[in-house]
Amino acid sequence: EPEVTQTPSHQVTQMGQEVILRCVPISNHLYFYWYRQILGQKVEFLVSFYNNEISEKSEIFDDQFSVERPDGSNFTLKIRSTKLEDSAMYFCASRTREGRDSPLHFGNGTRLTVT
Amino acid sequence: QQQVKQSPQSLIVQKGGISIINCAYENTAFDYFPWYQQFPGKGPALLIAIRPDVSEKKEGRFTISFNKSAKQFSLHIMDSQPGDSATYFCAASKGSNYQLIWGAGTKLIIKP
Repeated sequence: EPEVTQTPSHQVTQMGQEVILRCVPISNHLYFYWYRQILGQKVEFLVSFYNNEISEKSEIFDDQFSVERPDGSNFTLKIRSTKLEDSAMYFCASRTREGRDSPLHFGNGTRLTVT
Repeated sequence: QQQVKQSPQSLIVQKGGISIINCAYENTAFDYFPWYQQFPGKGPALLIAIRPDVSEKKEGRFTISFNKSAKQFSLHIMDSQPGDSATYFCAASKGSNYQLIWGAGTKLIIKP
Protein backbone atom coordinates (compact mmCIF):
# COMPACT_ATOMS: atom_id res chain seq x y z
CA GLU A 1 0.00 0.00 0.00
CA PRO A 2 1.39 3.45 -0.87
CA GLU A 3 2.72 5.42 2.09
CA VAL A 4 3.58 8.96 3.02
CA THR A 5 7.28 8.97 3.82
CA GLN A 6 9.05 11.50 5.99
CA THR A 7 12.73 12.19 6.48
CA PRO A 8 14.61 12.37 8.72
CA SER A 9 12.92 10.37 11.44
CA HIS A 10 14.75 12.41 14.08
CA GLN A 11 16.38 15.81 13.73
CA VAL A 12 18.34 17.54 16.45
CA THR A 13 19.14 21.20 15.97
CA GLN A 14 20.33 24.15 17.98
CA MET A 15 18.06 27.04 18.80
CA GLY A 16 18.14 29.66 16.08
CA GLN A 17 19.08 27.25 13.33
CA GLU A 18 17.00 26.59 10.24
CA VAL A 19 15.54 23.14 9.67
CA ILE A 20 13.81 21.58 6.70
CA LEU A 21 11.55 18.62 7.22
CA ARG A 22 10.87 16.55 4.16
CA CYS A 23 7.87 14.59 3.05
CA VAL A 24 7.02 12.53 0.02
CA PRO A 25 3.22 12.32 -0.20
CA ILE A 26 1.43 9.48 -1.93
CA SER A 27 1.93 9.98 -5.64
CA ASN A 28 -1.63 10.68 -6.83
CA HIS A 29 -2.53 12.86 -3.87
CA LEU A 30 -3.28 16.53 -4.40
CA TYR A 31 -3.79 17.96 -0.92
CA PHE A 32 -0.95 18.18 1.56
CA TYR A 33 -0.79 18.99 5.25
CA TRP A 34 1.56 19.47 8.12
CA TYR A 35 0.53 18.72 11.69
CA ARG A 36 2.59 18.69 14.84
CA GLN A 37 2.32 16.86 18.14
CA ILE A 38 4.18 18.12 21.16
CA LEU A 39 5.14 15.14 23.31
CA GLY A 40 2.16 13.91 25.29
CA GLN A 41 -0.15 16.56 23.90
CA LYS A 42 -2.75 16.79 21.18
CA VAL A 43 -2.11 16.89 17.48
CA GLU A 44 -2.26 20.44 16.07
CA PHE A 45 -2.96 21.55 12.52
CA LEU A 46 -0.27 23.74 10.99
CA VAL A 47 -1.02 24.22 7.31
CA SER A 48 -2.76 22.83 4.25
CA PHE A 49 -1.44 23.14 0.72
CA TYR A 50 -3.11 22.66 -2.63
CA ASN A 51 -2.28 23.65 -6.17
CA ASN A 52 1.07 25.07 -5.12
CA GLU A 53 -0.28 27.43 -2.55
CA ILE A 54 -1.31 27.50 1.09
CA SER A 55 -5.04 27.01 1.40
CA GLU A 56 -5.29 27.33 5.16
CA LYS A 57 -2.96 27.85 8.09
CA SER A 58 -3.25 27.98 11.86
CA GLU A 59 -2.03 30.59 14.33
CA ILE A 60 0.98 28.39 15.03
CA PHE A 61 2.13 28.75 11.41
CA ASP A 62 3.74 32.17 11.74
CA ASP A 63 6.41 33.88 9.65
CA GLN A 64 9.04 31.45 10.91
CA PHE A 65 7.34 28.63 9.02
CA SER A 66 7.10 28.06 5.30
CA VAL A 67 6.10 25.21 3.04
CA GLU A 68 7.15 24.35 -0.44
CA ARG A 69 6.59 21.74 -3.09
CA PRO A 70 9.84 22.18 -4.99
CA ASP A 71 9.22 19.37 -7.45
CA GLY A 72 6.52 16.86 -8.27
CA SER A 73 7.19 14.62 -5.32
CA ASN A 74 8.55 16.44 -2.27
CA PHE A 75 6.65 18.61 0.20
CA THR A 76 8.80 20.45 2.73
CA LEU A 77 8.29 22.36 5.95
CA LYS A 78 10.94 24.92 6.80
CA ILE A 79 11.41 26.53 10.19
CA ARG A 80 13.70 29.53 9.76
CA SER A 81 14.94 30.10 13.27
CA THR A 82 14.02 27.29 15.59
CA LYS A 83 12.91 27.86 19.15
CA LEU A 84 12.91 25.44 22.05
CA GLU A 85 9.12 25.26 21.87
CA ASP A 86 9.31 24.00 18.28
CA SER A 87 10.43 20.65 19.68
CA ALA A 88 7.69 18.25 18.64
CA MET A 89 6.75 15.42 16.33
CA TYR A 90 5.90 16.81 12.90
CA PHE A 91 3.54 14.81 10.73
CA CYS A 92 3.00 15.23 7.03
CA ALA A 93 -0.31 14.05 5.58
CA SER A 94 -1.89 13.90 2.16
CA ARG A 95 -5.13 12.95 0.47
CA THR A 96 -6.41 12.49 -3.05
CA ARG A 97 -9.17 15.03 -3.32
CA GLU A 98 -11.42 17.39 -1.46
CA GLY A 99 -14.24 15.97 0.62
CA ARG A 100 -14.57 13.85 3.71
CA ASP A 101 -14.66 10.55 1.88
CA SER A 102 -11.01 11.12 0.99
CA PRO A 103 -9.18 10.24 4.19
CA LEU A 104 -5.90 11.73 5.33
CA HIS A 105 -2.86 9.49 5.15
CA PHE A 106 -0.16 10.36 7.68
CA GLY A 107 3.54 9.71 7.56
CA ASN A 108 5.39 8.31 10.56
CA GLY A 109 6.63 11.75 11.54
CA THR A 110 9.89 13.57 12.16
CA ARG A 111 10.85 14.11 15.77
CA LEU A 112 12.41 17.56 16.00
CA THR A 113 14.49 18.30 19.07
CA VAL A 114 15.67 21.87 19.54
CA THR A 115 18.45 22.29 22.08
CA GLN B 1 -15.50 26.95 20.74
CA GLN B 2 -12.81 25.25 18.74
CA GLN B 3 -12.01 22.62 21.37
CA VAL B 4 -12.69 18.94 21.35
CA LYS B 5 -12.57 17.43 24.82
CA GLN B 6 -11.65 13.77 25.11
CA SER B 7 -11.83 11.42 28.05
CA PRO B 8 -10.47 9.41 29.68
CA GLN B 9 -6.79 10.23 29.33
CA SER B 10 -5.93 6.57 29.78
CA LEU B 11 -7.91 3.35 29.91
CA ILE B 12 -7.14 -0.22 30.86
CA VAL B 13 -9.52 -2.91 29.66
CA GLN B 14 -9.40 -6.67 29.96
CA LYS B 15 -9.18 -8.69 26.78
CA GLY B 16 -12.65 -9.34 25.45
CA GLY B 17 -14.13 -6.31 27.19
CA ILE B 18 -15.63 -3.15 25.73
CA SER B 19 -13.47 -0.05 25.49
CA ILE B 20 -15.34 3.26 25.49
CA ILE B 21 -13.78 6.63 24.76
CA ASN B 22 -15.79 9.83 24.83
CA CYS B 23 -15.50 13.19 23.13
CA ALA B 24 -17.44 16.43 23.37
CA TYR B 25 -17.39 19.50 21.20
CA GLU B 26 -18.86 22.98 21.29
CA ASN B 27 -18.82 24.27 17.75
CA THR B 28 -22.08 23.25 16.07
CA ALA B 29 -20.51 24.00 12.69
CA PHE B 30 -18.41 20.84 12.96
CA ASP B 31 -19.74 18.34 10.47
CA TYR B 32 -17.16 15.57 10.37
CA PHE B 33 -15.96 13.49 13.30
CA PRO B 34 -13.15 10.98 12.70
CA TRP B 35 -11.32 8.72 15.12
CA TYR B 36 -7.64 8.05 14.64
CA GLN B 37 -5.52 5.23 16.02
CA GLN B 38 -1.84 5.80 16.68
CA PHE B 39 0.74 3.17 17.54
CA PRO B 40 4.08 4.21 19.08
CA GLY B 41 6.47 5.58 16.47
CA LYS B 42 3.77 5.79 13.82
CA GLY B 43 1.54 8.49 12.44
CA PRO B 44 -2.17 8.54 13.20
CA ALA B 45 -4.30 6.32 10.99
CA LEU B 46 -7.99 6.87 10.30
CA LEU B 47 -10.06 4.25 12.08
CA ILE B 48 -13.65 5.29 11.50
CA ALA B 49 -15.55 8.54 10.91
CA ILE B 50 -19.09 9.80 11.19
CA ARG B 51 -21.16 12.74 9.98
CA PRO B 52 -23.84 14.37 12.15
CA ASP B 53 -26.75 13.09 10.07
CA VAL B 54 -26.11 9.59 11.41
CA SER B 55 -26.39 8.51 15.05
CA GLU B 56 -24.25 5.41 14.81
CA LYS B 57 -21.69 3.87 12.51
CA LYS B 58 -20.21 0.42 12.86
CA GLU B 59 -17.18 -1.07 11.19
CA GLY B 60 -16.26 -4.48 12.49
CA ARG B 61 -15.58 -4.25 16.23
CA PHE B 62 -15.49 -0.44 16.14
CA THR B 63 -18.62 1.69 16.58
CA ILE B 64 -19.08 5.45 16.74
CA SER B 65 -22.12 6.70 18.60
CA PHE B 66 -23.09 10.29 17.89
CA ASN B 67 -25.42 12.47 19.96
CA LYS B 68 -25.98 15.71 18.08
CA SER B 69 -28.13 17.38 20.73
CA ALA B 70 -25.57 16.70 23.46
CA LYS B 71 -22.67 17.48 21.12
CA GLN B 72 -20.96 14.27 22.10
CA PHE B 73 -19.60 11.27 20.28
CA SER B 74 -17.93 8.14 21.45
CA LEU B 75 -15.88 5.21 20.21
CA HIS B 76 -16.76 1.72 21.35
CA ILE B 77 -14.37 -1.15 20.76
CA MET B 78 -16.11 -4.46 21.23
CA ASP B 79 -14.22 -7.65 22.17
CA SER B 80 -11.08 -5.57 22.81
CA GLN B 81 -7.82 -7.29 21.88
CA PRO B 82 -4.20 -6.67 22.95
CA GLY B 83 -3.51 -5.51 19.39
CA ASP B 84 -5.94 -2.64 19.99
CA SER B 85 -3.54 -1.16 22.54
CA ALA B 86 -2.74 2.26 21.10
CA THR B 87 -3.52 5.93 21.54
CA TYR B 88 -6.88 6.97 20.15
CA PHE B 89 -7.72 10.49 19.08
CA CYS B 90 -11.09 11.94 18.28
CA ALA B 91 -11.22 14.94 16.00
CA ALA B 92 -13.66 17.29 14.34
CA SER B 93 -13.70 19.56 11.34
CA LYS B 94 -16.05 21.80 9.40
CA GLY B 95 -16.27 22.35 5.72
CA SER B 96 -14.46 20.39 3.10
CA ASN B 97 -10.93 21.16 4.27
CA TYR B 98 -9.12 19.02 6.77
CA GLN B 99 -8.23 21.52 9.47
CA LEU B 100 -8.94 18.90 12.08
CA ILE B 101 -9.35 19.92 15.69
CA TRP B 102 -8.03 17.06 17.78
CA GLY B 103 -8.86 15.71 21.18
CA ALA B 104 -6.03 15.18 23.65
CA GLY B 105 -5.88 11.44 23.06
CA THR B 106 -6.62 8.33 25.11
CA LYS B 107 -3.96 5.76 25.78
CA LEU B 108 -5.71 2.40 25.69
CA ILE B 109 -4.13 -0.71 27.16
CA ILE B 110 -5.80 -4.07 26.68
CA LYS B 111 -4.66 -6.59 29.28
CA PRO B 112 -4.43 -10.20 28.09
